[in-house]
Amino acid sequence: GAGVSQSPSNKVTEKGKDVELRCDPISGHTALYWYRQSLGQGLEFLIYFQGNSAPDKSGLPSDRFSAERTGGSVSTLTIQRTQQEDSAVYLCASSLSQGQPQHFGDGTRLSIL
Amino acid sequence: QQPVQSPQAVILREGEDAVINCSSSKALYSVHWYRQKHGEAPVFLMILLKGGEQMRHEKISASFNEKKQQSSLYLTASQLSYSGTYFCGTEANTGNQFYFGTGTSLTVIP
Repeated sequence: GAGVSQSPSNKVTEKGKDVELRCDPISGHTALYWYRQSLGQGLEFLIYFQGNSAPDKSGLPSDRFSAERTGGSVSTLTIQRTQQEDSAVYLCASSLSQGQPQHFGDGTRLSIL
Repeated sequence: QQPVQSPQAVILREGEDAVINCSSSKALYSVHWYRQKHGEAPVFLMILLKGGEQMRHEKISASFNEKKQQSSLYLTASQLSYSGTYFCGTEANTGNQFYFGTGTSLTVIP
């Protein structure tokens, strides 16, 4: 596609439910990044994929968070047993390769009631 | 591990210059600069690589001091469109993680 696509754009769910966020990177981009941005705050690094592999998962906030990438393309970020502190905008970015300029999607605004 | 930016906020009149600094505690391979407008995703401005030259894009330029693990963004003759929050992003020599700085809110007024 022309740009990074994220879905859904908005998600409201009840505390304790699981959610799945999707990121479709720019075609040909091997590097993919997930970030979290709380209201008025900076960008918190969550995880980076080079191809389908995530070399370092230590940025994920807790074991309720997991991410995968298949076919070197689409990535999903899953949050299990959501908590209110998970409320934030989740941003995905892709780049041609590690260290290259990152192109961001419009994000998924997650609200936990 | 998050880089620290200064100042936290700055207000400029159109046409004035500004400098935003970014400092990391890690040895860096590259520094990126992004601008984020309210309610929008960050947009890439420029990238500086270890051993590379100072970059320039129109009236915005940046430098990277590898020894001090610092980078600075220079905005010359600011325009209203420069308003937004500026983030540096750093990639350490060890790779595999990318950290954005604390952010600098820049407001340009007529």
